[in-house]
Amino acid sequence: KAGVTQTPRYLIKTRGQQVTLSCSPISGHRSVSWYQQTPGQGLQFLFEYFSETQRNKGNFPGRFSGRQFSNSRSEMNVSTLELGDSALYLCASSLDTRETQYFGPGTRLLVL
Amino acid sequence: EDKVVQSPLSLVVHEGDTVTLNCSYEVTNFRSLLWYKQEKKAPTFLFMLTSSGIEKKSGRLSSILDKKELFSILNITATQTGDSAVYLCAVIQGAQKLVFGQGTRLTINP
Repeated sequence: KAGVTQTPRYLIKTRGQQVTLSCSPISGHRSVSWYQQTPGQGLQFLFEYFSETQRNKGNFPGRFSGRQFSNSRSEMNVSTLELGDSALYLCASSLDTRETQYFGPGTRLLVL
Repeated sequence: EDKVVQSPLSLVVHEGDTVTLNCSYEVTNFRSLLWYKQEKKAPTFLFMLTSSGIEKKSGRLSSILDKKELFSILNITATQTGDSAVYLCAVIQGAQKLVFGQGTRLTINP
């Protein structure tokens, strides 16, 4: 089975721009979660989608949003980028609630 | 506030040594505890622990959960340089939210 894939792998943007990241879960997985990883804050939960519905949300501003499509693929959008948004954004998928999450390789975002 | 605390934050040992990594947690709606290994890229899954006192084992790695004292340990025996990584502990809270610890950076010197 193919693993979780994320695109793009690297991205450079400037402050004020917006960005969309994509995640394709493992085939058959319906839950997709997004995380932000920075050296200072570690791994932090952004949100989780299951069957196209956002079920959980972390403590991030409204500039961070996401969605999930009927094929379970998910996108994350960050608007009005700030320097502090520079991070590794990881997506993880799982079969269902409370199942083990498997991570994708991440998208490294640099905001200049 | 929900929190997961790992110790030590950093550990340097020699190849062949045995190490024990600790993870304590205080979260509402605890479901399960996970251990991940992160090298240069995304975390890779090691163990999922849901019940107290049942050791999970995979080769030289083993882990156990104590739900009464709210902690877990990850043991690595006969360490190898390939074990060098950041080891992350995470707790599944509620429906599907993971709360991560800061990680333990393990360095194995030859």
